[in-house]
Amino acid sequence: DAGVTQSPTHLIKTRGQQVTLRCSPKSGHDTVSWYQQALGQGPQFIFQYYEEEERQRGNFPDRFSGHQFPNYSSELNVNALLLGDSALYLCASSLFTGQRETDTQYFGPGTRLTVL
Amino acid sequence: AQSVTQPDIHITVSEGASLELRCNYSYGATPYLFWYVQSPGQGLQLLLKYFSGDTLVQGIKGFEAEFKRSQSSFNLRKPSVHWSDAAEYFCAVGPMNNFNKFYFGSGTKLNVKP
Repeated sequence: DAGVTQSPTHLIKTRGQQVTLRCSPKSGHDTVSWYQQALGQGPQFIFQYYEEEERQRGNFPDRFSGHQFPNYSSELNVNALLLGDSALYLCASSLFTGQRETDTQYFGPGTRLTVL
Repeated sequence: AQSVTQPDIHITVSEGASLELRCNYSYGATPYLFWYVQSPGQGLQLLLKYFSGDTLVQGIKGFEAEFKRSQSSFNLRKPSVHWSDAAEYFCAVGPMNNFNKFYFGSGTKLNVKP
């Protein structure tokens, strides 16, 4: 049973460009959350997708957008890249059961984005 | 506002020694608390979680954590550290009304001396 997978592993972009990161959730999961982890920091919540809709959003500008597909996979898009967007982007998946005790997130290995 | 503080950025312990990693949180309601471990090139792996009930929580890999409401703390412990425990450890708080919108601490990097 594959866990959460993310692609690509590493990515280098220049300022002003746009980037798309991809995530496939763990089998059986229907909810995907995205986090940004800057160097030396803990992950910060970007947004969460459930039933193909953005359900929650953290304190990130509109340059950060996402999408969830019918197969529950998800994309994170970042427009007009800034140097400060350089970070590890983590995807996490879970199954929405409505029960706090069982809604456990599983994280992927992340995509390392470098903006030059 | 919700926040998580991990006061120790780096900790070095000898293999076989005991370990305690500190975590303090600030949250306006009943917190749901988590500890994750991150090895280089790996995603975050859940070690343990606390929702309610017994304040001493057992996790994987021999880790445990104790919730102390009066101190707003959720410290992680292990009686005997192994070299493979060297990694970065993150404490996180999850709000009651959003199951997966976690607030993470900045992490504690653990080094293990042979």
